[in-house]
Amino acid sequence: GESVGLHLPTLSVQEGDNSIINCAYSNSASDYFIWYKQESGKGPQFIIDIRSNMDKRQGQRVTVLLNKTVKHLSLQIAATQPGDSAVYFCAESRMGGGNKLTFGTGTQLKVEL
Amino acid sequence: KAGVTQTPRYLIKTRGQQVTLSCSPISGHRSVSWYQQTPGQGLQFLFEYFSETQRNKGNFPGRFSGRQFSNSRSEMNVSTLELGDSALYLCASSFYSNQETQYFGPGTRLLVL
Repeated sequence: GESVGLHLPTLSVQEGDNSIINCAYSNSASDYFIWYKQESGKGPQFIIDIRSNMDKRQGQRVTVLLNKTVKHLSLQIAATQPGDSAVYFCAESRMGGGNKLTFGTGTQLKVEL
Repeated sequence: KAGVTQTPRYLIKTRGQQVTLSCSPISGHRSVSWYQQTPGQGLQFLFEYFSETQRNKGNFPGRFSGRQFSNSRSEMNVSTLELGDSALYLCASSFYSNQETQYFGPGTRLLVL
């Protein structure tokens, strides 16, 4: 069946360090991937997305890497800040599925001062 | 440009009642998707509406229904509420229904007693 799973439920990093959040997916038909950040009491906030014809995409302080061979996705956050503390979700969709997203379980990122 | 808005933000109902939640998408967006978020099941897709038509539907019972109006605003309805329906209900909007970047609202927190 389809599933999107996260490797670590909680990640603690020191302020200023780089963070790497990992995500595995099982469906080879998935061709669009997206990362969201959710702070307590708020809805998910779009961070960055990537399509299957790319293996890397960069945004402001964030980079998403896609390895289709092993069905693995990662989000790298450079110079992690206290404001980055949140739950991070990866999600996937496939062509023909409209905007339906299948979400992973989430990783709690804690930034220590 | 205003973001996705959801009303009400909080709601308390009792078992057996029904509830209607509302979502106003970002101006110009024609696709609205609904998700249920619970600690146990995470974020799960309910359905997507595009141009007043249901585009996709998740694995939820028929008690969950929705609709979209000509101005793209959407409502979802849950009839015969059960305790397990307690959740954060999120809607997300995008321009089109083809793996578009979706932007989430703050959610409606529903508590069923």
